[in-house]
Amino acid sequence: DQQVKQNSPSLSVQEGRISILNCDYTNSMFDYFLWYKKYPAEGPTFLISISSIKDKNEDGRFTVFLNKSAKHLSLHIVPSQPGDSAVYFCAASVNTGNQFYFGTGTSLTVIP
Amino acid sequence: KAGVTQTPRYLIKTRGQQVTLSCSPISGHRSVSWYQQTPGQGLQFLFEYFSETQRNKGNFPGRFSGRQFSNSRSEMNVSTLELGDSALYLCASSLDYSVGQRIHFGNGTRLTVT
Repeated sequence: DQQVKQNSPSLSVQEGRISILNCDYTNSMFDYFLWYKKYPAEGPTFLISISSIKDKNEDGRFTVFLNKSAKHLSLHIVPSQPGDSAVYFCAASVNTGNQFYFGTGTSLTVIP
Repeated sequence: KAGVTQTPRYLIKTRGQQVTLSCSPISGHRSVSWYQQTPGQGLQFLFEYFSETQRNKGNFPGRFSGRQFSNSRSEMNVSTLELGDSALYLCASSLDYSVGQRIHFGNGTRLTVT
């Protein structure tokens, strides 16, 4: 049973515009969320995280929003750059260490 | 600081064989976890080790096992390989298992079972 879902397998955005990647979860006990970026033939790279006590976290061009009531997470990338083209995974954990539940990923293409 | 190192990068095995994958965590990291990535399934948690003890285990059959050594290096073993075991196996490390850790991934071992 997929507890973390990324319903958009792919997304295309023009360079300079905003990219919005979405993630939904079913387990209300999740209290820590992360986003990872993955290039082909490489392992996922950490992007940004958010704790359930917050509803927003920013790091440069990346902002993550958390809506606990809707069990929804989103990643905003502004402005989008061609180098951002990659597969993005959201992940969530309960207070059980490093057991993370990952979504199936969204492939982002930023068009120059 | 060197990242998470996984060996080998690629493996081809035959159904019924067994395989051992190796992972060296980032220096100073004591928690190691393993994930399986298959198309359409995302990353699925296999198990996590800390101080040579398995702390968590995902929903995988007993053919999947692992261990951690005193230097925090870890191995995972898959016995009696099946075609469905073909996947990218990712190892990740973190300082410990406290909440709020970011985990750092290696580049994975691509296993193909024929």
